[in-house]
Amino acid sequence: DAKTTQPPSMDCAEGRAANLPCNHSTISGNEYVYWYRQIHSQGPQYIIHGLKNNETNEMASLIITEDRKSSTLILPHATLRDTAVYYCIVGLHSGGGADGLTFGKGTHLIIQP
Amino acid sequence: NAGVMQNPRHLVRRRGQEARLRCSPMKGHSHVYWYRQLPEEGLKFMVYLQKENIIDESGMPKERFSAEFPKEGPSILRIQQVVRGDSAAYFCASSPLRGSWETQYFGPGTRLLVL
Repeated sequence: DAKTTQPPSMDCAEGRAANLPCNHSTISGNEYVYWYRQIHSQGPQYIIHGLKNNETNEMASLIITEDRKSSTLILPHATLRDTAVYYCIVGLHSGGGADGLTFGKGTHLIIQP
Repeated sequence: NAGVMQNPRHLVRRRGQEARLRCSPMKGHSHVYWYRQLPEEGLKFMVYLQKENIIDESGMPKERFSAEFPKEGPSILRIQQVVRGDSAAYFCASSPLRGSWETQYFGPGTRLLVL
């Protein structure tokens, strides 16, 4: 499985865009990039995923570089409720050979009022 | 539509006792996953079950841990003879589809403390 590298923590002002980077330099051609977040004392929550095209949904946008070795999750207008640990995970779509997710340590995003 | 339910939310056990953690999947979901999160760590996959079957237990410790998902009732993660190192948050997730990461919905977790 490809591994990911994320900064351990980041701050962002409320109302501004939060940009969370993730490096996945060993990603293979058929592996997707997934993002989850975990708000304190809760279970993880799926945010978005993509293969090579940029993706957007009601929660966030995902920008994947052309060489697919890195990606950025964008929360366009961060609120205090977006304070959480954000996990970037790579793997085959629909789990493929691995049904269970493997989480690293993620990025602790703190939204400042 | 209720989400994934886990109980108890907090469980305290003394070393050597048994811990039983329950997970009720979302309605219509027949796939259940258990994860463990040690303090300051990310979640680690333990086991994946469908109704009455264990599909993948590659992340389960070889001893003292077992899981089941009976035809009726919740999925159970059982830890026998608990030790302090078992103290962690245990999360379950359910999905209507096999291996569909984006449709895994997580419960609130059970926080196990072993004294």
